[in-house]
Amino acid sequence: GESVGLHLPTLSVQEGDNSIINCAYSNSASDYFIWYKQESGKGPQFIIDIRSNMDKRQGQRVTVLLNKTVKHLSLQIAATQPGDSAVYFCAEKTGGYSTLTFGKGTMLLVSP
Amino acid sequence: DGGITQSPKYLFRKEGQNVTLSCEQNLNHDAMYWYRQDPGQGLRLIYYSQIVNDFQKGDIAEGYSVSREKKESFPLTVTSAQKNPTAFYLCASSNQQVTSYNEQFFGPGTRLTVL
Repeated sequence: GESVGLHLPTLSVQEGDNSIINCAYSNSASDYFIWYKQESGKGPQFIIDIRSNMDKRQGQRVTVLLNKTVKHLSLQIAATQPGDSAVYFCAEKTGGYSTLTFGKGTMLLVSP
Repeated sequence: DGGITQSPKYLFRKEGQNVTLSCEQNLNHDAMYWYRQDPGQGLRLIYYSQIVNDFQKGDIAEGYSVSREKKESFPLTVTSAQKNPTAFYLCASSNQQVTSYNEQFFGPGTRLTVL
């Protein structure tokens, strides 16, 4: 079946830098996308979501961009902090009652 | 304190034994899900339930079974038929409305190790 994938398995940044985590999706019918953060040994936590009728959504220090033309999703984290170190997953939903399909994740490492 | 609880946090099982993982939510969510996560991998869907007394197989249901007798509970049984059960198991729940876009809320997970 179609799946969500990520370009970079590991991203290392310095504290204070901006981070960009990318995600490619292949199902053009997907109408909802979510970014999750997972710290070691814990369950994923919701960060931000975006519907397919939008191309940008901002939260606190985070921005999600959606480019439906190239089926690309990105998560931007401003002024990255050591506490942002975690694995980040994107997930897509194809509408209705359908379930989420998760990507494999990107590890973000923030050094002080 | 609302949320999803999973128990136990760590579970050890001998080969050939069935084991049941608990998942409870007090968020009044209709839908519940079970995922499996292997090291360095994403989440793979085992089973999900959209309503009490109903559930559907996910992508990797073989060797697992579930029940949904109560809205707040969705236990997962890992049977002896599951060839490689050692993994991190995550339970999630969400509101289930046709016109809404619903994030899934996750529990803290259960790490199952087969000895």
